[in-house]
Amino acid sequence: ETGVTQTPRHLVMGMTNKKSLKCEQHLGHNAMYWYKQSAKKPLELMFVYSLEERVENNSVPSRFSPECPNSSHLFLHLHTLQPEDSALYLCASSQLTGGLGYTFGSGTRLTVV
Amino acid sequence: TQLLEQSPQFLSIQEGENLTVYCNSSSVFSSLQWYRQEPGEGPVLLVTVVTGGEVKKLKRLTFQFGDARKDSSLHITAAQPGDTGLYLCAADSWGKLQFGAGTQVVVTP
Repeated sequence: ETGVTQTPRHLVMGMTNKKSLKCEQHLGHNAMYWYKQSAKKPLELMFVYSLEERVENNSVPSRFSPECPNSSHLFLHLHTLQPEDSALYLCASSQLTGGLGYTFGSGTRLTVV
Repeated sequence: TQLLEQSPQFLSIQEGENLTVYCNSSSVFSSLQWYRQEPGEGPVLLVTVVTGGEVKKLKRLTFQFGDARKDSSLHITAAQPGDTGLYLCAADSWGKLQFGAGTQVVVTP
């Protein structure tokens, strides 16, 4: 248990479905992140929230919609996804943004069919 | 082009052997981190190196930060099956943590 909990661990969804990924951190951190991990590619930063405000959106398609209601919770809302969106989605938190160590959750393995 | 280039991409060795993985860049970093990711889990931070030329040891793992702070290496002595995993280096770039693609290490008994 890292202190960052992601649910669900696995998700299979059709291209017309709407689903949400949840992340919760119990570390008192001020920043939270969504990363996408595809096979043999570097982790791709999707969204950064610092003190509950979005500070970074790396040109992610609008079919991914983040929400950060408070400093402990982060959601990723999914709709009309494509098969190429199948990947491991990782949530992380840190005390501050930047070069300090991140604590990751175990991820959600998403399969779009 | 990737900010951080890791090599090799894959490494398979026998228990008891030594191994070294590399993380290289043309950019200078204020710090660099190493993570290990096991199947079905997220990356776990192993170490952060900050000073050029710095060497840090974590049991059988030795981490080195290059003098120019552009590269780093991870050396494992007498590898064990429990060392199997994806080793990732990461560095801060304009306030965001960027990752290399990783080195997959497999240690067989």
